[in-house]
Amino acid sequence: EIMLTQSPATLSLSPGERATLSCRASQSISSYLAWYQQKPGQAPRILFYDVSNRAPGIPARFSVSGSGTDFTLTISSLEPEDFAVYYCQQGSNWPPALTFGGGTKVEIK
Amino acid sequence: QVQLVQSGAEVKKPGASVRVSCRASGYTFIAYYIHWVRQAPGRGLEWMGWIKPKSGDTNYAQKFQGRVTMTRDTSFSTAYLELTRLRSDDTAVYYCAKVHCSSSSCSSDPFDMWGQGTMVTVSS
Repeated sequence: EIMLTQSPATLSLSPGERATLSCRASQSISSYLAWYQQKPGQAPRILFYDVSNRAPGIPARFSVSGSGTDFTLTISSLEPEDFAVYYCQQGSNWPPALTFGGGTKVEIK
Repeated sequence: QVQLVQSGAEVKKPGASVRVSCRASGYTFIAYYIHWVRQAPGRGLEWMGWIKPKSGDTNYAQKFQGRVTMTRDTSFSTAYLELTRLRSDDTAVYYCAKVHCSSSSCSSDPFDMWGQGTMVTVSS
């Protein structure tokens, strides 16, 4: 089973600053890596289906990069609504399994 | 529009069972896998398994094998999660989620729609 490690656990930044979130896999990911945003009291919302596929309605200030075992979600200039928890996720059809990273909380400094 | 609407909050005693429903609308229910994910208070997301609505085939995370059952009723476009032998550490919000891709090979595809969540509290 592939494990995903997200860092840092918490990121304290001010609006307008750049946020860089990391997701590292325990072995190379051959399928996809997705990213979700979750705000308090809400269900997660998908940001990216894979490295190159942005979900509808996601602003261009969000971008992703990476391959193999190291992936990055970047928010170029934080807006007030971006302060939330972000999760990476991967899935495989065989063996059938799906895992989430532990999450990175982006909080207002 | 595409929606997943879950049943309401539950309070259960240790050792009891709980069933959570997830009613789909706005898309062809049988065409997309449904997954269940839970989140304990203040914790991260934990995958529980999936069901293929067209066939009823299921796949459960090893941690929940023997305690979880996922079913569906295609007549009502509804998926169900049943968890038995509840313990206090099963206290969590339980989400259903629909995969993005409709192919039969997309069992573990990313989720493009989530239910609103169902809080299950296990307490004596």
